[in-house]
Amino acid sequence: KAGVTQTPRYLIKTRGQQVTLSCSPISGHRSVSWYQQTPGQGLQFLFEYFSETQRNKGNFPGRFSGRQFSNSRSEMNVSTLELGDSALYLCASSLQLAGVSYEQYFGPGTRLTVT
Amino acid sequence: GDSVTQMEGPVTLSEEAFLTINCTYTATGYPSLFWYVQYPGEGLQLLLKATKADDKGSNKGFEATYRKETTSFHLEKGSVQVSDSAVYFCALSDMRAGGFKTIFGAGTRLFVKA
Repeated sequence: KAGVTQTPRYLIKTRGQQVTLSCSPISGHRSVSWYQQTPGQGLQFLFEYFSETQRNKGNFPGRFSGRQFSNSRSEMNVSTLELGDSALYLCASSLQLAGVSYEQYFGPGTRLTVT
Repeated sequence: GDSVTQMEGPVTLSEEAFLTINCTYTATGYPSLFWYVQYPGEGLQLLLKATKADDKGSNKGFEATYRKETTSFHLEKGSVQVSDSAVYFCALSDMRAGGFKTIFGAGTRLFVKA
């Protein structure tokens, strides 16, 4: 079974631009979560989608948004990029059937650098 | 709110040494507990899990027991190898009214010397 894939793997953008990152979950997984990882703040939860609905959101400004499509693929968008948005963005998928523990399977991440 | 606290690193050990990485949590519900590992340049991989009190998760020689009375989930390995050098994250996951959420500890970097 193919793992979680994220595209692109690396991205360099200029302050003020916007960016869209893509995530394809493991086949059959309906939950997709996004995280931002930085050396200073560690792993921070951005949002979680399940069956095209955002169920949970972390404490990030409205410049960070996402969506999920009917095939469970997800995108996240960051508008008006700031230098502090430079980070590794991780996507994780989860099966989440009733009675099944909530382990997540992570993609390799997208390394975003804002200059 | 819920939180996860794990010991600060880096932890430096010689090959074949015993490893313990402490993890404690606070939670209002009954979360599942996890250890994830991140190798350089990669995403996180699930190392082991436990879904209820007294469960022991194990994988690749690593073990951790879900201790509700001490709210702990310490990671142990009897004999580490150089290939175990990585960052280890303790995490809890739970389903809330607002949806599914996972909280990670800050991570503990492990260096194993040959």
